[in-house]
Amino acid sequence: EDQVTQSPEALRLQEGESSSLNCSYTVSGLRGLFWYRQDPGKGPEFLFTLYSAGEEKEKERLKATLTKKESFLHITAPKPEDSATYLCAVSPTVNDMRFGAGTRLTVKP
Amino acid sequence: DAGITQSPRHKVTETGTPVTLRCHQTENHRYMYWYRQDPGHGLRLIHYSYGVKDTDKGEVSDGYSVSRSKTEDFLLTLESATSSQTSVYFCAISGRQGSTDTQYFGPGTRLTVL
Repeated sequence: EDQVTQSPEALRLQEGESSSLNCSYTVSGLRGLFWYRQDPGKGPEFLFTLYSAGEEKEKERLKATLTKKESFLHITAPKPEDSATYLCAVSPTVNDMRFGAGTRLTVKP
Repeated sequence: DAGITQSPRHKVTETGTPVTLRCHQTENHRYMYWYRQDPGHGLRLIHYSYGVKDTDKGEVSDGYSVSRSKTEDFLLTLESATSSQTSVYFCAISGRQGSTDTQYFGPGTRLTVL
């Protein structure tokens, strides 16, 4: 069964304290792995798509990496405005997106 | 902003009543999706559409129906609402950002069934 697991469920960081979020997956085939950011009361906002093991994408303080079984979202020197829930999703087939439950990140000033 | 609106944004209803949620897009995208989001479960696909009058079931379709009579509108109907359908509902459209395929989400509808 296709499954996506994110860890930790919640993460509290001090401003400037770098860390990583994990997304592990088991799927029959991988068309793509997606990272989203979700703020309270809003819809998910697209961050990255990764297609193959070894691929990396960067945006400001965020960098996403992909291996054959997991993806990491690295956050370098986070700021309070990076506080949000980060969602990982995999697409095993066209029109099928399986989401993890998310990691709730809090960055304290 | 992906040009997706949802209505209503909040709704409280009673068990057994029918409820219809609307998703409207201005992007002329062919594919549209309905998800529900519950604590501890993440987003789960209810139904999707790949064109006018063309729809298919997702992972959690029981108790829901959909219709798409125009490219821009995708309706989700709860035939007879139950308390287990209390959730936040998101509509999404698929699109490309450069060479990247992804889905873009609307702002959500919070539905409470009493």
